[in-house]
Amino acid sequence: GAVVSQHPSWVICKSGTSVKIECRSLDFQATTMFWYRQFPKQSLMLMATSNEGSKATYEQGVEKDKFLINHASLTLSTLTVTSAHPEDSSFYICSASSNAYEQYFGPGTRLTVT
Amino acid sequence: AQSVAQPEDQVNVAEGNPLTVKCTYSVSGNPYLFWYVQYPNRGLQFLLKYITGDNLVKGSYGFEAEFNKSQTSFHLKKPSALVSDSALYFCAVILREDDKIIFGKGTRLHILP
Repeated sequence: GAVVSQHPSWVICKSGTSVKIECRSLDFQATTMFWYRQFPKQSLMLMATSNEGSKATYEQGVEKDKFLINHASLTLSTLTVTSAHPEDSSFYICSASSNAYEQYFGPGTRLTVT
Repeated sequence: AQSVAQPEDQVNVAEGNPLTVKCTYSVSGNPYLFWYVQYPNRGLQFLLKYITGDNLVKGSYGFEAEFNKSQTSFHLKKPSALVSDSALYFCAVILREDDKIIFGKGTRLHILP
């Protein structure tokens, strides 16, 4: 089956620094990637939809200048949390799809901002 | 290993008939349980969740799910299917001890007019 990886799986950073999270489709070409945020003990919140070669579409309330998303190739999308603060601590999950009817999830990245 | 199983890749139901999308889980402890729906080219949308309390949970769009602890199942149901219910459905669990979310592989629901 299709595999999506995320790197790193866990990161701790200091407040004010930036963190980049990678999402890779390992054995298929992902025309669309989604980024989600999961708050403790709560469901996922869709942050943005990213199509290869074009600008990401952000959900309402998500700051695009703070959460920079790049989808430069069919196998890689990155989420950069800029000037991270403790309230950005969360579990970030990506998913990838090559068509409208399938979606494969990455294992998630736990971000802790101190 | 912790896992969520959706045994059916695809479910076909005639419009107006009841539908069931199956989900079973194998995790330690007592997880939180979720159902999500994904329409073509869209991100996941939250349908419903079970945290505690009544085993029958009601959610969006007329869907409901029943938590069965002895069978470790959380099947999604709807009494009368609509063509617009056709989509991809994901079952997920969140482990209480570390908040890790685990997804099933998804079930494609086709409602036939």
